[in-house]
Amino acid sequence: LAKTTQPISMDSYEGQEVNITCSHNNIATNDYITWYQQFPSQGPRFIIQGYKTKVTNEVASLFIPADRKSSTLSLPRVSLSDTAVYYCLVGTDDKIIFGKGTRLHILP
Amino acid sequence: DSGVTQTPKHLITATGQRVTLRCSPRSGDLSVYWYQQSLDQGLQFLIQYYNGEERAKGNILERFSAQQFPDLHSELNLSSLELGDSALYFCASSVEGVEGNEQYFGPGTRLTVT
Repeated sequence: LAKTTQPISMDSYEGQEVNITCSHNNIATNDYITWYQQFPSQGPRFIIQGYKTKVTNEVASLFIPADRKSSTLSLPRVSLSDTAVYYCLVGTDDKIIFGKGTRLHILP
Repeated sequence: DSGVTQTPKHLITATGQRVTLRCSPRSGDLSVYWYQQSLDQGLQFLIQYYNGEERAKGNILERFSAQQFPDLHSELNLSSLELGDSALYFCASSVEGVEGNEQYFGPGTRLTVT
């Protein structure tokens, strides 16, 4: 069961690009990497998912190196509304560990 | 709106009581997951059902139980409630057969045990 390690918190400023890195040293061959965003008192929201290399959608990019032992969520030009907790998950749906996530605080 | 609905939104009850939380998954989703989130804590996975059958179990207490019905809605039953059971309870659903871990979460039920 892959365990993930993320920074506890990060601060950034509006308009900046934010990169949050997640370590998952014992990722299994079949594991996908998934990121969620959670605002206070709301359910997590799926952001992006990938298996290898780079994935991009309308809100974020996910960079995964060849060894897949880490991944980086990139949020372009953040705004105050991006202040939230970001969770990195590794695995498939039979075992799920969210961890504490990264508390991202965007400053004006 | 994720398409996942949960009722009730808020629940206040006393210690020792029993409550039932209800979840309706997105249309077409066969898997339902339950999570508990205490104040300032991460999400704790409780249990997963797929098409009526229990598929995976996480940190679910013996006082808690769940089931998924033929219409795919799910209920989480919490009994002999303790103060420490006060938390947000989330339900999520996903499409079977899709690789990875893309789940869609409901708005949650906030349980307060007094």
